[in-house]
Amino acid sequence: DAGVIQSPRHEVTEMGQEVTLRCKPISGHDYLFWYRQTMMRGLELLIYFNNNVPIDDSGMPEDRFSAKMPNASFSTLKIQPSEPRDSAVYFCASSLLLTGAGANVLTFGAGSRLTVL
Amino acid sequence: GNSVTQMEGPVTLSEEAFLTINCTYTATGYPSLFWYVQYPGEGLQLLLKATKADDKGSNKGFEATYRKETTSFHLEKGSVQVSDSAVYFCALGRLGNQFYFGTGTSLTVIP
Repeated sequence: DAGVIQSPRHEVTEMGQEVTLRCKPISGHDYLFWYRQTMMRGLELLIYFNNNVPIDDSGMPEDRFSAKMPNASFSTLKIQPSEPRDSAVYFCASSLLLTGAGANVLTFGAGSRLTVL
Repeated sequence: GNSVTQMEGPVTLSEEAFLTINCTYTATGYPSLFWYVQYPGEGLQLLLKATKADDKGSNKGFEATYRKETTSFHLEKGSVQVSDSAVYFCALGRLGNQFYFGTGTSLTVIP
């Protein structure tokens, strides 16, 4: 398997522009997570999906952020309008739910580094 | 609630030194525990995991033991290499794939 695939790897945009980040999870994984990583705040969970349905979006910072998962093999994270404080590395991760107790391993993508000028 | 507290960094060690990165957790129920590693410019990768008390996870010379009595999952390696320089994250996973990450500990190993 190619792992979790994110695009673009790097994005530089100007304040006010729309940004769309994309993620292809590992085939068969039924959980998908979006994280944001910054030096100041570390790794933050933004939203996660189970079977394409958003389960918890309490980490989405503002209405400017939205995420969709139209099918099991694709998700987007959109920022509109973007602001300089959105500059960060955004990670997508996927996982397969284990039956029984415990949680299964999260597999992360390589990340999308966003710079908003 | 659920949370993970890990040792503040950065940590700088000489090659072949012994490494310990402390991690303690607070959780309801019986979580799984993980260590992830992030190399520069890359995403987080699973380093090792343990799913129940007294389990020992190990990989690439790293080890961590799930200690329920002390709610800890400390990462250790007997002899670090320059290639181990990275950021290490302790994480807790609960039923339903809810994950909680520590703040990360940066390790630099110098020759």
